[in-house]
Amino acid sequence: QLVLTQSPSASASLGASVKLTCTLSSGHSGYAIAWHQQQPEKGPRFLMKLNSDGYHIKGDGIPDRFSGSSSGAERYLTISSLQSEDEADYYCQTWGTGIGVFGGGTKLTVL
Amino acid sequence: EVQLVESGGGLVQPGGSLRLSCAASGFTFSPYWMHWVRQAPGKGLVWVSRVNSDGSNTNYADSVKGRFTISRDNAKNTLYLQMNSLRAEDTAVYYCARVGSCSGSDCWWVDNWGQGTLVTVSS
Repeated sequence: QLVLTQSPSASASLGASVKLTCTLSSGHSGYAIAWHQQQPEKGPRFLMKLNSDGYHIKGDGIPDRFSGSSSGAERYLTISSLQSEDEADYYCQTWGTGIGVFGGGTKLTVL
Repeated sequence: EVQLVESGGGLVQPGGSLRLSCAASGFTFSPYWMHWVRQAPGKGLVWVSRVNSDGSNTNYADSVKGRFTISRDNAKNTLYLQMNSLRAEDTAVYYCARVGSCSGSDCWWVDNWGQGTLVTVSS
C-alpha cells in the first residue's frame, strides 16, 4: 500500500535552514511527489513537483529559498533563510494505482 | 492568473445531498485534469476524486465511492462534485485543484488550488 510519511512537526530559527522529509512506503521508492504549503487559515499552495532523481519543477513565484532533493525513498523540501511567513503546514502528495495520496503534513514553526 | 473558485458548500443534514461547483478562469480549462481534495477541521489534506480532461475517466477515494460523483462542463469551465448520502465524517473544506501538465500516466500532481468551500454535515 502506498503511504507517505511525514514528521508531524519541525522547528527552526528565523534566517536558518530546515529540511522536511516525506518518506515513500516500501516498494514505491521510484515515485515522484509534489510539495504543498498551507499557511494558517489559507488554502494550500503548490511549491514543487519532485522526481526520484531530484529533478524538480517549481510553482510560479516560488522563491529560490525553496528547493527539493531525493534519496532512495525519501523526498526532501529544504527551506533556507527562513522567514516568518514560512511558518505553515507542508504536505507531500503522490499518486498510486487510481488513488491519490497525501502525507499527514508537517507543521513548521519558525522560532 | 489561474483562478479556481468553489461554491455550493453549506450545512446539510446526514443523508442529504449537495453539489459543489468550481469555476475556473485564467486558463484554458478543457485540457486539464482536475481533483477534489478535502480537509476536515484541524486535520490534513485528503484526496477525494479526480477527473480527466473530457470527463470520461474518473477515480474516487474508497470513502466516497458510490456516494460522490465528479463531473465537468468544459463549455462552462466548471468542475462539479455531486455528494449524496452525506455523513458527519464528510464535514470538511472542499478544495478544487488543477492537475499540472499531463504526460502519459503522469496526470496527478496539483499545480493550482482553489480557496475551498465548507461543507458541514450535521442535524
